[in-house]
Amino acid sequence: DTGVSQDPRHKITKRGQNVTFRCDPISEHNRLYWYRQTLGQGPEFLTYFQNEAQLEKSRLLSDRFSAERPKGSFSTLEIQRTEQGDSAMYLCASSSRGGPEETQYFGPGTRLLVL
Amino acid sequence: AQSVAQPEDQVNVAEGNPLTVKCTYSVSGNPYLFWYVQYPNRGLQFLLKYITGDNLVKGSYGFEAEFNKSQTSFHLKKPSALVSDSALYFCAVGGSQGNLIFGKGTKLSVKP
Repeated sequence: DTGVSQDPRHKITKRGQNVTFRCDPISEHNRLYWYRQTLGQGPEFLTYFQNEAQLEKSRLLSDRFSAERPKGSFSTLEIQRTEQGDSAMYLCASSSRGGPEETQYFGPGTRLLVL
Repeated sequence: AQSVAQPEDQVNVAEGNPLTVKCTYSVSGNPYLFWYVQYPNRGLQFLLKYITGDNLVKGSYGFEAEFNKSQTSFHLKKPSALVSDSALYFCAVGGSQGNLIFGKGTKLSVKP
């Protein structure tokens, strides 16, 4: 059982560029979550998918952020026109089912630095 | 709104001594509570969770947590700390959408 993987692990970009991150959940996990973690804070929920359906978008930080999970397997998180304030760790997690009692398993994260 | 609070930014413990990392929660309805650990530049690793039943929950690496409904607390404990336990610890509560709502984290430092 391989864990959640994320790619790339690190990304340095210039302000105004677009970036895309990939997350591969644990196989057969239906739920996939994206979080953002800034320095000194706990992870902050952004969005989630049940299979290919995105069930919550309102927590995405702005309309520059978008996420997809086209075939219900891997997911991508895109940030358009990056700003310095987007610098953070972006974490992906998956769970076998939905519900507040379900354990989520996290990937290693993608650390973004916007110059 | 559901939330958790970790009142200590840092906890310092000597190796071999017991450790406690504190967490209090505010939840309407039944709380589903979690502890995760994060090592530098790594993702979060699941330690344990409380859903229902026994108030003492046992988890990975010798950690346990005690659920106290009257004090709305879910403190993480370990009888004998190791230097390798030094990390960032997060308490979280399960949200209505299945997302996790995290505290700010507590840095645990175990000195030899």
